[in-house]
Amino acid sequence: DQQVKQNSPSLSVQEGRISILNCDYTNSMFDYFLWYKKYPAEGPTFLISISSIKDKNEDGRFTVFLNKSAKHLSLHIVPSQPGDSAVYFCAASPVNTDKLIFGTGTRLQVFP
Amino acid sequence: EPEVTQTPSHQVTQMGQEVILRCVPISNHLYFYWYRQILGQKVEFLVSFYNNEISEKSEIFDDQFSVERPDGSNFTLKIRSTKLEDSAMYFCASSHRKETQYFGPGTRLLVL
Repeated sequence: DQQVKQNSPSLSVQEGRISILNCDYTNSMFDYFLWYKKYPAEGPTFLISISSIKDKNEDGRFTVFLNKSAKHLSLHIVPSQPGDSAVYFCAASPVNTDKLIFGTGTRLQVFP
Repeated sequence: EPEVTQTPSHQVTQMGQEVILRCVPISNHLYFYWYRQILGQKVEFLVSFYNNEISEKSEIFDDQFSVERPDGSNFTLKIRSTKLEDSAMYFCASSHRKETQYFGPGTRLLVL
């Protein structure tokens, strides 16, 4: 099941700079997309979501962009902080269901 | 801030034994979920629950699995006869609307 893909297993960014995490999907029938952050031995922490009828949603340092024609979404973190170091998962919810389909995750490391 | 809680944090059991994983969802949420993550793999949807009944289940959620909301606060996942391949992190989640699911810290289940 490769409906949601995160092709970069890891990303390293300097503190203060922008982190861009990417996610691709293959199914046009998703109506919501979500981003989660996960620390080891903890559950996923909800960060931000976006409806398929929008192309941008912003919450503080986090902005999610959705490009429906490319079936691509990205999470921007500005400015990046060392506490942002974690694994980031994108997830998508198909129309008429509320289950989430997760990507494989991208490990973000923010160094000083 | 309200959060989803799960007990136990770790469970070790023998193959063939029954286990019950417990969750306390966020109090005003109406939708409840179980997901699991096998080591090194994606987070996978198991089941969603609304209005005291299963609203959707995955292929993984076979007759060995059941869910229950025995009172107004707890939400449980029972595995009747555990198999080695049931070893995973099990996450409970709850939501009051589709685009925000909040996850608990997880129960690490090890089947020997």
